[in-house]
Amino acid sequence: AQKVTQAQTEISVVEKEDVTLDCVYETRDTTYYLFWYKQPPSGELVFLIRRNSFDEQNEISGRYSWNFQKSTSSFNFTITASQVVDSAVYFCALSERNAGNMLTFGGGTRLMVKP
Amino acid sequence: DSGVTQTPKHLITATGQRVTLRCSPRSGDLSVYWYQQSLDQGLQFLIQYYNGEERAKGNILERFSAQQFPDLHSELNLSSLELGDSALYFCASSGYSNSYNEQFFGPGTRLTVL
Repeated sequence: AQKVTQAQTEISVVEKEDVTLDCVYETRDTTYYLFWYKQPPSGELVFLIRRNSFDEQNEISGRYSWNFQKSTSSFNFTITASQVVDSAVYFCALSERNAGNMLTFGGGTRLMVKP
Repeated sequence: DSGVTQTPKHLITATGQRVTLRCSPRSGDLSVYWYQQSLDQGLQFLIQYYNGEERAKGNILERFSAQQFPDLHSELNLSSLELGDSALYFCASSGYSNSYNEQFFGPGTRLTVL
Protein backbone atom coordinates (compact mmCIF):
# COMPACT_ATOMS: atom_id res chain seq x y z
CA ALA A 1 0.00 0.00 0.00
CA GLN A 2 1.13 3.52 -0.65
CA LYS A 3 2.46 5.69 2.12
CA VAL A 4 3.86 9.19 2.42
CA THR A 5 6.00 10.31 5.33
CA GLN A 6 6.84 13.87 6.24
CA ALA A 7 9.09 13.47 9.23
CA GLN A 8 9.29 17.17 10.04
CA THR A 9 6.09 18.14 11.78
CA GLU A 10 7.12 21.74 12.37
CA ILE A 11 9.93 23.97 11.13
CA SER A 12 10.65 27.51 12.21
CA VAL A 13 12.98 29.79 10.25
CA VAL A 14 13.76 33.47 10.06
CA GLU A 15 12.85 35.37 6.95
CA LYS A 16 15.34 35.06 4.07
CA GLU A 17 16.61 31.69 5.26
CA ASP A 18 16.42 28.73 2.92
CA VAL A 19 14.36 25.79 4.11
CA THR A 20 13.88 22.23 2.83
CA LEU A 21 10.80 20.16 3.53
CA ASP A 22 11.34 16.43 3.33
CA CYS A 23 8.99 13.88 1.80
CA VAL A 24 9.57 10.13 1.60
CA TYR A 25 7.12 7.82 -0.12
CA GLU A 26 6.44 4.11 -0.46
CA THR A 27 4.79 2.52 -3.44
CA ARG A 28 4.78 -0.79 -5.31
CA ASP A 29 3.57 0.79 -8.51
CA THR A 30 6.07 1.65 -11.23
CA THR A 31 3.94 4.52 -12.44
CA TYR A 32 2.99 7.05 -9.84
CA TYR A 33 2.66 10.77 -9.33
CA LEU A 34 3.87 13.01 -6.58
CA PHE A 35 2.35 16.31 -5.53
CA TRP A 36 2.93 19.16 -3.15
CA TYR A 37 0.09 21.23 -1.72
CA LYS A 38 0.17 24.30 0.49
CA GLN A 39 -2.41 24.97 3.20
CA PRO A 40 -2.16 28.59 4.41
CA PRO A 41 -3.81 29.69 7.65
CA SER A 42 -7.00 30.44 5.72
CA GLY A 43 -7.40 26.68 5.29
CA GLU A 44 -7.66 26.01 1.58
CA LEU A 45 -5.35 23.54 -0.16
CA VAL A 46 -3.34 25.07 -2.97
CA PHE A 47 -1.75 22.89 -5.64
CA LEU A 48 1.97 23.60 -6.11
CA ILE A 49 3.48 20.90 -8.32
CA ARG A 50 3.02 17.46 -9.86
CA ARG A 51 5.85 15.14 -10.81
CA ASN A 52 5.54 11.73 -12.49
CA SER A 53 7.70 8.75 -11.70
CA PHE A 54 9.45 8.83 -15.06
CA ASP A 55 10.67 12.37 -14.76
CA GLU A 56 13.46 12.83 -12.26
CA GLN A 57 14.40 16.28 -13.44
CA ASN A 58 14.45 18.83 -10.70
CA GLU A 59 12.11 21.73 -11.10
CA ILE A 60 12.43 25.36 -10.13
CA SER A 61 9.64 27.89 -9.98
CA GLY A 62 10.74 31.21 -8.63
CA ARG A 63 11.86 30.70 -5.03
CA TYR A 64 10.51 27.14 -5.01
CA SER A 65 12.42 24.09 -6.14
CA TRP A 66 11.77 20.39 -5.96
CA ASN A 67 14.23 17.52 -5.86
CA PHE A 68 12.89 14.10 -6.89
CA GLN A 69 15.14 11.10 -6.26
CA LYS A 70 13.74 7.66 -7.03
CA SER A 71 16.78 5.96 -5.53
CA THR A 72 15.84 7.25 -2.09
CA SER A 73 12.06 7.53 -2.73
CA SER A 74 12.15 11.17 -1.83
CA PHE A 75 10.53 14.30 -3.23
CA ASN A 76 11.88 17.23 -1.26
CA PHE A 77 10.75 20.82 -1.50
CA THR A 78 13.06 23.79 -0.96
CA ILE A 79 12.02 27.39 -0.44
CA THR A 80 14.83 29.85 -1.07
CA ALA A 81 14.90 33.18 0.75
CA SER A 82 11.77 32.38 2.72
CA GLN A 83 9.15 35.04 3.35
CA VAL A 84 6.51 35.44 6.03
CA VAL A 85 3.83 34.67 3.42
CA ASP A 86 5.35 31.20 3.05
CA SER A 87 4.08 30.33 6.53
CA ALA A 88 1.68 27.44 6.01
CA VAL A 89 1.31 23.70 6.31
CA TYR A 90 2.80 21.89 3.33
CA PHE A 91 1.58 18.47 2.27
CA CYS A 92 3.28 15.95 0.05
CA ALA A 93 0.95 13.48 -1.68
CA LEU A 94 1.12 10.40 -3.89
CA SER A 95 -1.22 8.79 -6.39
CA GLU A 96 -0.64 5.48 -8.11
CA ARG A 97 -1.81 4.59 -11.58
CA ASN A 98 -3.02 1.17 -10.49
CA ALA A 99 -4.67 2.23 -7.28
CA GLY A 100 -7.29 4.64 -8.47
CA ASN A 101 -7.09 8.37 -8.35
CA MET A 102 -6.99 8.95 -4.65
CA LEU A 103 -4.30 11.12 -3.18
CA THR A 104 -2.45 9.69 -0.21
CA PHE A 105 -1.17 12.58 1.88
CA GLY A 106 1.69 12.82 4.29
CA GLY A 107 1.07 14.25 7.72
CA GLY A 108 2.16 17.71 6.66
CA THR A 109 4.94 20.05 7.76
CA ARG A 110 4.03 23.30 9.44
CA LEU A 111 6.44 26.01 8.33
CA MET A 112 6.66 29.19 10.37
CA VAL A 113 8.67 32.03 8.87
CA LYS A 114 9.42 34.75 11.38
CA PRO A 115 10.23 38.32 10.35
CA ASP B 1 -9.37 30.82 -6.11
CA SER B 2 -9.39 27.22 -7.37
CA GLY B 3 -12.81 27.47 -8.99
CA VAL B 4 -14.21 24.73 -6.74
CA THR B 5 -17.00 25.92 -4.46
CA GLN B 6 -18.26 24.33 -1.28
CA THR B 7 -21.21 25.17 0.90
CA PRO B 8 -21.71 25.75 3.71
CA LYS B 9 -18.40 27.07 4.99
CA HIS B 10 -19.20 26.17 8.58
CA LEU B 11 -21.71 23.74 10.04
CA ILE B 12 -22.47 23.15 13.70
CA THR B 13 -24.78 20.33 14.63
CA ALA B 14 -25.51 17.80 17.34
CA THR B 15 -24.70 14.14 17.68
CA GLY B 16 -27.13 11.86 15.92
CA GLN B 17 -28.04 14.43 13.30
CA ARG B 18 -27.66 14.29 9.53
CA VAL B 19 -26.02 16.93 7.34
CA THR B 20 -25.38 17.46 3.63
CA LEU B 21 -22.28 19.12 2.27
CA ARG B 22 -22.35 20.48 -1.25
CA CYS B 23 -19.62 20.88 -3.84
CA SER B 24 -19.51 22.42 -7.31
CA PRO B 25 -16.45 21.42 -9.34
CA ARG B 26 -14.43 23.69 -11.62
CA SER B 27 -16.10 24.37 -14.91
CA GLY B 28 -15.50 21.41 -17.22
CA ASP B 29 -14.15 19.05 -14.56
CA LEU B 30 -15.82 15.65 -14.53
CA SER B 31 -14.24 14.14 -11.41
CA VAL B 32 -15.13 15.07 -7.86
CA TYR B 33 -13.28 13.82 -4.79
CA TRP B 34 -14.11 14.12 -1.11
CA TYR B 35 -11.47 14.24 1.62
CA GLN B 36 -11.67 14.54 5.39
CA GLN B 37 -9.06 16.44 7.40
CA SER B 38 -9.03 15.76 11.13
CA LEU B 39 -6.41 16.26 13.80
CA ASP B 40 -5.96 12.58 14.53
CA GLN B 41 -6.35 11.09 11.03
CA GLY B 42 -4.84 13.83 8.90
CA LEU B 43 -6.04 14.21 5.31
CA GLN B 44 -7.89 11.11 4.14
CA PHE B 45 -9.55 10.28 0.86
CA LEU B 46 -13.20 9.36 1.19
CA ILE B 47 -14.72 8.82 -2.25
CA GLN B 48 -14.51 9.81 -5.91
CA TYR B 49 -17.17 10.30 -8.55
CA TYR B 50 -16.57 10.62 -12.26
CA ASN B 51 -19.32 11.91 -14.50
CA GLY B 52 -22.02 10.73 -12.14
CA GLU B 53 -20.61 7.34 -11.27
CA GLU B 54 -18.71 6.21 -8.22
CA ARG B 55 -15.12 5.56 -9.27
CA ALA B 56 -13.11 4.92 -6.11
CA LYS B 57 -13.75 4.49 -2.43
CA GLY B 58 -11.42 5.14 0.46
CA ASN B 59 -11.90 5.18 4.20
CA ILE B 60 -15.51 6.25 4.07
CA LEU B 61 -17.80 5.17 6.90
CA GLU B 62 -21.07 3.41 6.13
CA ARG B 63 -22.87 6.33 7.76
CA PHE B 64 -21.51 8.55 4.99
CA SER B 65 -22.69 8.56 1.41
CA ALA B 66 -22.18 10.73 -1.62
CA GLN B 67 -23.53 11.28 -5.08
CA GLN B 68 -22.79 13.32 -8.17
CA PHE B 69 -25.67 14.84 -10.07
CA PRO B 70 -26.12 15.33 -13.84
CA ASP B 71 -24.92 18.94 -13.55
CA LEU B 72 -21.75 17.46 -11.96
CA HIS B 73 -22.18 18.99 -8.54
CA SER B 74 -21.75 16.57 -5.68
CA GLU B 75 -23.17 16.12 -2.21
CA LEU B 76 -21.69 14.31 0.76
CA ASN B 77 -24.25 13.10 3.26
CA LEU B 78 -23.18 12.40 6.82
CA SER B 79 -25.68 10.73 9.13
CA SER B 80 -25.88 9.59 12.75
CA LEU B 81 -23.14 12.06 13.46
CA GLU B 82 -20.65 11.43 16.22
CA LEU B 83 -18.24 13.76 17.98
CA GLY B 84 -15.39 12.18 16.04
CA ASP B 85 -16.89 13.28 12.73
CA SER B 86 -15.91 16.86 13.52
CA ALA B 87 -13.44 17.75 10.79
CA LEU B 88 -12.74 19.86 7.74
CA TYR B 89 -14.28 18.26 4.66
CA PHE B 90 -12.74 19.11 1.33
CA CYS B 91 -14.06 18.61 -2.13
CA ALA B 92 -11.63 18.52 -5.03
CA SER B 93 -12.11 18.26 -8.77
CA SER B 94 -10.04 17.28 -11.77
CA GLY B 95 -10.64 17.13 -15.48
CA TYR B 96 -10.58 13.40 -15.88
CA SER B 97 -10.22 10.30 -13.83
CA ASN B 98 -6.51 9.71 -14.17
CA SER B 99 -4.08 9.52 -11.31
CA TYR B 100 -1.80 12.08 -12.90
CA ASN B 101 -4.39 14.81 -12.94
CA GLU B 102 -3.82 17.41 -10.29
CA GLN B 103 -6.80 17.89 -8.05
CA PHE B 104 -7.99 21.38 -7.24
CA PHE B 105 -9.48 21.80 -3.82
CA GLY B 106 -12.38 23.85 -2.59
CA PRO B 107 -12.21 25.98 0.56
CA GLY B 108 -13.66 23.20 2.69
CA THR B 109 -16.62 22.85 5.04
CA ARG B 110 -15.77 22.86 8.72
CA LEU B 111 -18.15 20.52 10.54
CA THR B 112 -18.45 20.71 14.30
CA VAL B 113 -20.50 18.04 16.06
CA LEU B 114 -21.47 18.94 19.63
